[in-house]
Amino acid sequence: QLQLQESGPGLVKPSETLSLTCTVSGDSISSSSYYWGWIRQPPGKGLEWIGTIYYSGNTYYNPSLKSRVTISVDTSKNQFSLNLSSMTAADTAVYYCARGSGWFFNWGQGTLVTVSS
Amino acid sequence: EIVLTQSPATLSLSPGERATLSCGASQSVSSNYLAWYQQKPGLAPRLLIYDASRRATGIPDRFSGSGSGTDFTLTISRLEPEDFAVYYCQQYGNSPRCSFGQGTKLEIK
Repeated sequence: QLQLQESGPGLVKPSETLSLTCTVSGDSISSSSYYWGWIRQPPGKGLEWIGTIYYSGNTYYNPSLKSRVTISVDTSKNQFSLNLSSMTAADTAVYYCARGSGWFFNWGQGTLVTVSS
Repeated sequence: EIVLTQSPATLSLSPGERATLSCGASQSVSSNYLAWYQQKPGLAPRLLIYDASRRATGIPDRFSGSGSGTDFTLTISRLEPEDFAVYYCQQYGNSPRCSFGQGTKLEIK
């Protein structure tokens, strides 16, 4: 059974860069049938797609975040990662990693990231 | 970018009633590539419907999706207590890029 687990700091200072990792277990991240994504949800608000990566390394980002986002994959560790720079209070959210094929059918439990000095 | 607008924002119904949730797109969604998710407090979203009308594995048949182009609907035929949650639509017509609606909260009347 596929499992995804987000890891990273729960608190980030304004202007710093957030780094999160999603560890995949139960299947290989190198499966060519799927892609891997990051989605976030500010407290009490809706879902926002951040970006997606294929195991090959091809990436696609939300235009509204593109200038600050980098997503990478490490097939040897069965992980993919999110870097989001120049963090502000507006980036406070639960960050989810997920596996998709258009729709997202496997999700991590999410990790709350708070931006505060 | 396709903008999805969900209505109503909040829907108040009783168990046993029929729920109809709408998702409108700012432009036609290619190949009707639209999904619906259910989210309960503190949990990740759960996929209900994909490709506008296909139920995901393990989803009860009281959940159904319909629609095409710019207008889509999620119907819950007879509400169970566990169905009260927030529902989101997602379009993936230009997959792997996608966007989500702002959500509809289904609450107990």
